[in-house]
Amino acid sequence: KNEVEQSPQNLTAQEGEFITINCSYSVGISALHWLQQHPGGGIVSLFMLSSGKKKHGRLIATINIQEKHSSLHITASHPRDSAVYICAVNRGGATNKLIFGTGTLLAVQP
Amino acid sequence: KAGVTQTPRYLIKTRGQQVTLSCSPISGHRSVSWYQQTPGQGLQFLFEYFSETQRNKGNFPGRFSGRQFSNSRSEMNVSTLELGDSALYLCASSLEAFRREEQYFGPGTRLTVT
Repeated sequence: KNEVEQSPQNLTAQEGEFITINCSYSVGISALHWLQQHPGGGIVSLFMLSSGKKKHGRLIATINIQEKHSSLHITASHPRDSAVYICAVNRGGATNKLIFGTGTLLAVQP
Repeated sequence: KAGVTQTPRYLIKTRGQQVTLSCSPISGHRSVSWYQQTPGQGLQFLFEYFSETQRNKGNFPGRFSGRQFSNSRSEMNVSTLELGDSALYLCASSLEAFRREEQYFGPGTRLTVT
C-alpha cells in the first residue's frame, strides 16, 4: 500500500464546476504539499500545509492532521485548470525529501 | 529572480552509456533535491544535497550518483544506462534543509534511453 493515496485518479468536469481532489496518507508528516503538473512536465508548488486551511485565488487546500487527510478544492473551474494534481508529504526531520501520491488527472471541459 | 534551470532539457542516449544532468537552483537557495518521474513508478526521490553534502538518498542503485558544488549548482550522473532509466528527471531547490520548506521545481530533463 502506498504511503500517500489520492482520489480520484481521473476527473472530468465542466467549466464552472466545484472540484475536490482528496489525499490520504498513512505516515507521520511535518508538511503536505499540493503540486500542479501541466503537460510537458513542469511542476508548480500550489500549497504547503501543516495545519488548517490555505486559499489562493480559486484554490483552497485543507488538511486534517488527526484523520491524515487533505483536500484540494478548485472553485469555478476553468479549462486552464486542466493538469495533473499531485499530493506529496514531508516525513519530517532535517530533510526536504518528498513522498508523492500517484496524481489526479483533471480535465475541465468548456 | 530566475527560477530553477535544468540542462539539457532533452537527451537521447544508448544503453550502456552514461549521462550527466545539471541543475541550477534559485539564487540563494542552498538545498537541491532530485526526483525521477516515470509512467510506471510516478515521482520518486533520488537525492538531496545541502552545502555540497548529500543529506539523503532514495532507493536507487549505485549507478545513480550526484554532487553539489560550492555555488549550490548540482549534477546527477547515471552510468551504464538501462532502458528503464528513461524518465523525466526533475530537480527542486529550497532555501534550507533543516525544516520543511517549499520546493521550487525546474522544468526537468527528459531522458530517453534506446
